[in-house]
Amino acid sequence: GNSVTQMEGPVTLSEEAFLTINCTYTATGYPSLFWYVQYPGEGLQLLLKATKADDKGSNKGFEATYRKETTSFHLEKGSVQVSDSAVYFCALSDPNAGKSTFGDGTTLTVKP
Amino acid sequence: DGGITQSPKYLFRKEGQNVTLSCEQNLNHDAMYWYRQDPGQGLRLIYYSQIVNDFQKGDIAEGYSVSREKKESFPLTVTSAQKNPTAFYLCASSTEAGRYNEQFFGPGTRLTVL
Repeated sequence: GNSVTQMEGPVTLSEEAFLTINCTYTATGYPSLFWYVQYPGEGLQLLLKATKADDKGSNKGFEATYRKETTSFHLEKGSVQVSDSAVYFCALSDPNAGKSTFGDGTTLTVKP
Repeated sequence: DGGITQSPKYLFRKEGQNVTLSCEQNLNHDAMYWYRQDPGQGLRLIYYSQIVNDFQKGDIAEGYSVSREKKESFPLTVTSAQKNPTAFYLCASSTEAGRYNEQFFGPGTRLTVL
């Protein structure tokens, strides 16, 4: 079956630090890959996505590249802000499975 | 504005009672999903529906039931058979189930069993 493994948290960074959250996946087909963000007490919001190998998704300074050879989709941001503090979920969508698979989430705290 | 609404935001129930969580979407999406999230945990899929009048069990369906009589609505009933129902419940939708499309999430309902 499909699975998504995320870097364990929590992650604590100072403002303007570089962020990397690792994500690797296992899938039988050719999935699309996503990063979602969840702020306290809210639902998830799509942050970025990539639908095929070597695609780069980007949004609000965050980037992730679909690496088929390493089955990875690591999230990066060059300079984090306090407002980036949230829980980040890596996910894949496989048309053969009929549903999505989510990682366990990584909590990011950015301190001023 | 298009989106997904869940109501109520907070819900309290006594042990042994059934309770129904509402989920409505006006995005004209075919697929809808229910997830459970426990503190510090990821999402676990309860039920999903790809089209009206059809739905499938997810990973933790025991103690829950759903219906999909209308495209825009996918209510979840937490029955008394669910042994530990206190959790945050999230509803989501997408244009097609399992295709290359992202899911859109509602704001969630926090259920507390007293």
